[in-house]
Amino acid sequence: GESVGLHLPTLSVQEGDNSIINCAYSNSASDYFIWYKQESGKGPQFIIDIRSNMDKRQGQRVTVLLNKTVKHLSLQIAATQPGDSAVYFCAEPRTNTGNQFYFGTGTSLTVIP
Amino acid sequence: DGGITQSPKYLFRKEGQNVTLSCEQNLNHDAMYWYRQDPGQGLRLIYYSQIVNDFQKGDIAEGYSVSREKKESFPLTVTSAQKNPTAFYLCASSLDRAVGYGYTFGSGTRLTVV
Repeated sequence: GESVGLHLPTLSVQEGDNSIINCAYSNSASDYFIWYKQESGKGPQFIIDIRSNMDKRQGQRVTVLLNKTVKHLSLQIAATQPGDSAVYFCAEPRTNTGNQFYFGTGTSLTVIP
Repeated sequence: DGGITQSPKYLFRKEGQNVTLSCEQNLNHDAMYWYRQDPGQGLRLIYYSQIVNDFQKGDIAEGYSVSREKKESFPLTVTSAQKNPTAFYLCASSLDRAVGYGYTFGSGTRLTVV
């Protein structure tokens, strides 16, 4: 079964506010994590990734934080925009050697104008 | 532009019929994958292929078949043995983890049984 979970299935935020989406993972040996955004009827799009030797990584308006002590990831979106409305998934490797990933069930983010 | 192309976007299948979903990539990725997505659920791995002429079952392979005759192509056949095939199917490809994955998805095929 899946080893990746999300704390909240839905999240609503006001436009301009910051959004935080959380994710728990189960394998303490996982060395790489990815966040994806999926808009309705489309394939997931890569947002940002982070390796386990980092605690934080920043992209354009997005930041991923990794807490290996509690096996927790978060995705922070700054100044959330209506175009950010989508389902967000985190993913971790299924094994320590292969290329396959487990994907969380996703958090549906709704941005209120 | 490099990417993954899935076709068709929508597919309708009659009871007892086999259908094939196409997935083509021009990213020069060695690994390719098929996932199934149902409403409110995460992505579930159907089959994956690390290299041409080789593939492995994922978590829900029953009722599905694949082939990998070319590096660029990884078609998925949904057979009549798959009792509940209505879902959104996603194809993905990647590099090896040693060089950073580069996990990329196609735009999906929505299959409906009629």
